[in-house]
Amino acid sequence: DAMVIQNPRYQVTQFGKPVTLSCSQTLNHNVMYWYQQKSSQAPKLLFHYYDKDFNNEADTPDNFQSRRPNTSFCFLDIRSPGLGDAAMYLCATSREKARGETQYFGPGTRLLVL
Amino acid sequence: GNSVTQMEGPVTLSEEAFLTINCTYTATGYPSLFWYVQYPGEGLQLLLKATKADDKGSNKGFEATYRKETTSFHLEKGSVQVSDSAVYFCALSDGGSQGNLIFGKGTKLSVKP
Repeated sequence: DAMVIQNPRYQVTQFGKPVTLSCSQTLNHNVMYWYQQKSSQAPKLLFHYYDKDFNNEADTPDNFQSRRPNTSFCFLDIRSPGLGDAAMYLCATSREKARGETQYFGPGTRLLVL
Repeated sequence: GNSVTQMEGPVTLSEEAFLTINCTYTATGYPSLFWYVQYPGEGLQLLLKATKADDKGSNKGFEATYRKETTSFHLEKGSVQVSDSAVYFCALSDGGSQGNLIFGKGTKLSVKP
């Protein structure tokens, strides 16, 4: 089945130690998104790629970066994780960027910072 | 700016009860409206959507009608099951947000046997 895959499902890192989360998709969608979701809150958009064009949300900390080496893969890099970065990180894709387009979400990676 | 307001939870119901989760929106453009569901420990799944006024989205017994006059998109189900226990997010997207989703805060539903 076509889907959005995130690895790992759980990630433990140490305070200040760089960590990379990965997302892959078999939907061949143009757009890939990264969201941060803290406990009992709505997902918060960090950034997205439309094809190779990167779009950063204004309030996304510089500590968060992303790479999209090809259509299928997208990575979230956290350069120096703080305790406040512990959260669920959700990857999503959509065919296009337009009202009405459905976003398809992966299962998420839960990040724990010690 | 655009925003989504949905009823505060948690909502606790007995199996086979009727469910309504209220959702209203503010948008400068002509948005599309969505309900996403998140089961414990999982990502979000699209439950249903509507892209124009008076459209009714439906899936798995859930329904919501896009009401432009009241800027609402309330989620309903006639008879909930224990397996419906999850967090439900109302969301909108419009041309101004370039298709980005703007979520409500979510409503946690617990269904007891």
